[in-house]
Amino acid sequence: NAGVTQTPKFQVLKTGQSMTLQCAQDMNHNSMYWYRQDPGMGLRLIYYSASEGTTDKGEVPNGYNVSRLNKREFSLRLESAAPSQTSVYFCATCRLTKNTGELFFGEGSRLTVL
Amino acid sequence: EDKVVQSPLSLVVHEGDTVTLNCSYEVTNFRSLLWYKQEKKAPTFLFMLTSSGIEKKSGRLSSILDKKELFSILNITATQTGDSAVYLCAAGGTSYGKLTFGQGTILTVHP
Repeated sequence: NAGVTQTPKFQVLKTGQSMTLQCAQDMNHNSMYWYRQDPGMGLRLIYYSASEGTTDKGEVPNGYNVSRLNKREFSLRLESAAPSQTSVYFCATCRLTKNTGELFFGEGSRLTVL
Repeated sequence: EDKVVQSPLSLVVHEGDTVTLNCSYEVTNFRSLLWYKQEKKAPTFLFMLTSSGIEKKSGRLSSILDKKELFSILNITATQTGDSAVYLCAAGGTSYGKLTFGQGTILTVHP
């Protein structure tokens, strides 16, 4: 039972290069999220998708695009990478409980932009 | 702007000690406060609190929420080296999964 799977786990890019982070879940959750984690700043929401076919900006969307390909998959694209995008990226899904939701995270993708 | 602040930012204790981690929040239309433990990789879920004054407990860990004063605490009793991790506090409003995270508390437990 994989849960939330992210690829790649590590990536080094040069400034200006593009790349896509892939995320797939087998938990049958509707909502999916991309967070980034930087030292001393906790996790910050980049984009999210409440359901298949919808996407919305989070707290720090600049420099990123997303695609909700189907219910299982949610990708994050960096069109022109910048050193400020060096971070650890986490994909998550949300299990809705009675009045709120609990996030389940993938293992993270460590991206370095030189 | 929603905000979550954790304290202390780091803590070093010895096995057997009891620790208290603090989390204060300001979140529009607050619904829930969550605690996560993060070791080397993905954050793993510990507790979700939605009601004031009701303690949630799991083994040596417990947590409580005060919605009037807008804070939560996470207690760990009889700490073990395996408790060494970053503890993240997050608060959510009406949009499920859109959590605002604190900076985290780095807990180090020495043998």
